[in-house]
Amino acid sequence: QEKVQQSPESLIVPEGAMSSLNCTFSNSASQSIWWYQQHPGKGPEALISIFSNGNKKEGRLTVYLNRASLHVSLHIRDSQPSDSAVYLCAVRGNYKPTFGKGTSLVVHP
Amino acid sequence: ETAVFQTPNYHVTQVGNEVSFNCKQTLGHDTMYWYKQDSKKLLKIMFSYNNKQLIVNETVPRRFSPQSSDKAHLNLRIKSVEPEDSAVYLCASSFDRADTQYFGPGTRLLVL
Repeated sequence: QEKVQQSPESLIVPEGAMSSLNCTFSNSASQSIWWYQQHPGKGPEALISIFSNGNKKEGRLTVYLNRASLHVSLHIRDSQPSDSAVYLCAVRGNYKPTFGKGTSLVVHP
Repeated sequence: ETAVFQTPNYHVTQVGNEVSFNCKQTLGHDTMYWYKQDSKKLLKIMFSYNNKQLIVNETVPRRFSPQSSDKAHLNLRIKSVEPEDSAVYLCASSFDRADTQYFGPGTRLLVL
């Protein structure tokens, strides 16, 4: 059974800083890795996904995947107070997603 | 703009009662999901349907049963609720099993 662990549990950064979130998983054959953002009282919203080793950039978001070390990271450049939310890492294997417990990000003005 | 709709938003009930939650998506997706999110924000998949066929059925208590009338609707029934069923139940849909999942706002269940 796939295991997904996220770190840190919580992160506080000043506005304009880089936020870095980490996720490790247990199965190198996992098909894809997804990052979701969840605001209080709302459902998760998909932000970015990655399938192949390397990195992928979309706007202020960059994700790095290293299958050999079973590690994926999400970096948010120029963090804004509106980025404050819980970030969930999800790993898909056999089309069945396994989620981590999330990182709570607070960006203070 | 919400494209995955869930009702009710919130439900309070007593142990042993039956509850039903509704989910509808207007995205034209073929695959729908039910997840349970506990108080620590951990999200676990319960069921997944593709074109009205059950494709994922995780180890959940038998009192939980999904119901799909067409590919735009996926309901969840809990026959006799227990205190540990208190959680947020999230419905999601995707174009196919590998594609982006779109989540509804969730139904928060409190069992007294």
